[in-house]
Amino acid sequence: AQSVAQPEDQVNVAEGNPLTVKCTYSVSGNPYLFWYVQYPNRGLQFLLKYITGDNLVKGSYGFEAEFNKSQTSFHLKKPSALVSDSALYFCAVRANDYKLSFGAGTTVTVRA
Amino acid sequence: ETGVTQTPRHLVMGMTNKKSLKCEQHLGHNAMYWYKQSAKKPLELMFVYSLEERVENNSVPSRFSPECPNSSHLFLHLHTLQPEDSALYLCASSQETGGGNIQYFGAGTRLSVL
Repeated sequence: AQSVAQPEDQVNVAEGNPLTVKCTYSVSGNPYLFWYVQYPNRGLQFLLKYITGDNLVKGSYGFEAEFNKSQTSFHLKKPSALVSDSALYFCAVRANDYKLSFGAGTTVTVRA
Repeated sequence: ETGVTQTPRHLVMGMTNKKSLKCEQHLGHNAMYWYKQSAKKPLELMFVYSLEERVENNSVPSRFSPECPNSSHLFLHLHTLQPEDSALYLCASSQETGGGNIQYFGAGTRLSVL
């Protein structure tokens, strides 16, 4: 069975500082990994995904994520956070069927 | 927006009511999904339809009944719900061609069961 863990319920950073949201996964076989963001009263929006190839994946709004197979991690990063990045972030993993397994989410608050 | 539209956005119902949630996707996708989102919990996959056939049913109580009349529309029929069913219900769609397919989500229906 596949699963995702987001060890931090909340991440607080100052605007302009680096932002990291952690994710570890468990899956049989090669993982397909995703990050989504949810703003208040909205559905989930796709940010980026890892399928294969380069371990550093670049996505929307200046976000990137690094796939680390040995640590089974897929941490989301942004070099310089904005107040508008404040939202709920979900990591998800998929293994060869329709099912996406999501983490419980990490609330990011960027203070001005 | 994402091309997935859900109605209504908010719904309040009593435990004896019958209501339906509607989802429509304008992306030409061949798979549609219902998820339940509760606070501080991972999204729970409820149902998956691929090419209008149900391919996944995650032990969801029978008081939730999905319907997929065509590849663009998905319904979730609700009856005799319980207060613990109050949550945000999200619809998603994808084009299933392999494992890396992106699911696109609607804005959700916020359901309150009194």
